This record gives sequence, structure tokens and C-alpha cells, in this order.
Amino acid sequence: TQLLEQSPQFLSIQEGENLTVYCNSSSVFSSLQWYRQEPGEGPVLLVTVVTGGEVKKLKRLTFQFGDARKDSSLHITAAQPGDTGLYLCAGEGNDYKLSFGAGTTVTVRA
Amino acid sequence: DTAVSQTPKYLVTQMGNDKSIKCEQNLGHDTMYWYKQDSKKFLKIMFSYNNKELIINETVPNRFSPKSPDKAHLNLHINSLELGDSAVYFCASSQDFGGDGYTFGSGTRLTVV
Repeated sequence: TQLLEQSPQFLSIQEGENLTVYCNSSSVFSSLQWYRQEPGEGPVLLVTVVTGGEVKKLKRLTFQFGDARKDSSLHITAAQPGDTGLYLCAGEGNDYKLSFGAGTTVTVRA
Repeated sequence: DTAVSQTPKYLVTQMGNDKSIKCEQNLGHDTMYWYKQDSKKFLKIMFSYNNKELIINETVPNRFSPKSPDKAHLNLHINSLELGDSAVYFCASSQDFGGDGYTFGSGTRLTVV
């Protein structure tokens, strides 16, 4: 089972600021997925990246997959209170298992 | 129209009891999963079925038994419940083996007292 480390564990910022969440591993992944989970709900898929060096943008969210396909980052520009939630990265290994990081709790204060 | 629905949402039961959690998906996906989320929000895979066949069976006590009557349903039965089984259990589905992402249900919070 591949180990994914997310940092930071907690992040509290003011509305309008930028933030970056990191997801690192020593293992290579077929794909790297990012999810957001709100209290009382299941994780919701934000994006999947599959190619080393790939960058995907989703409105104010930018996702990057490392060249070696071992790490990824999520950058949010001009964060809003609606961005508050638990952000989870997950890597798909060659065994088809999706392993999750421990998550980053993001709080955006109005 | 809920894509992945699981019932019940909450389950409170005494130690030693047997309980089941049901999951259904209407997405036409081939693969379904059970994940356990602990109090620290860490999600760990338990089981995976592809077209009704078990393909992933992590190190889970054999008190946990999944059943897939068809590819749209994956139920989880737990025997002799223990305090440590308290957690949130999530069902999920994906097309093929999930390279395009999973769709999760809203979870079942199990509390064993």
C-alpha cells in the first residue's frame, strides 16, 4: 500500500488569500485524484491527473501532477468561505487500489 | 436523483450485535467499494467488487462480509460488532477500476456502544 503524505494538516486563511496543499509519496501512481469532503457527506471528486507534469485548472483551483508522478499540489487563488472543507488526495497504484492521504482541513474566514 | 445511496445514514447498536449497511448505485458503474473513515478522517479501503466479483479484500476482520447480488449493489454485513468498529463507512463506485475517479455515497455513521 502506497503512503501519501499531505501537508499541511490544517490551514486557516482569510477570504481572498491564496493557499497551496501538497501531496507527496515515494511511490509512482497511475493517476492522482483530488477530492473535497464536507461534514456529513462523502468525498466529491474535483479532478484526476494522469500525466507527469500535467496541470489542470478548475476555476480558481489549479492542480499539478509531479513530473515523476509521485506528488501533486492543489493551489486555490483568492479563497472564498465556500472553499472550506477537507481536501483529500488519492493515488491509484498498479494494483488498482486507491490510497488516500490523511487530508488537509481548510478553513476560509470571511 | 442520488447516484450512490447507502442506508442507513446513522446506526447505533450494542456490542455483539450483527448489522448490515446497504449500498446502491444508479450510474451503471462496474466497480463498487467499501471504505472506512476513522475519527482522524483517514479513509482506508476495505473491499472492492468488479461486476459482482471480489477483487480487493484488505486485511479486514472476517466479521465483515461484503455481498454483491448484482453490479449495482454492494452490501456490508458485520457480525459481532465491537467498540472499535465505530466509524463512518463509505460506499463508492467507479467505471472500470477507477482511473477516472470514484463517486462516493454520503456515508453511514456506525456507533457501537
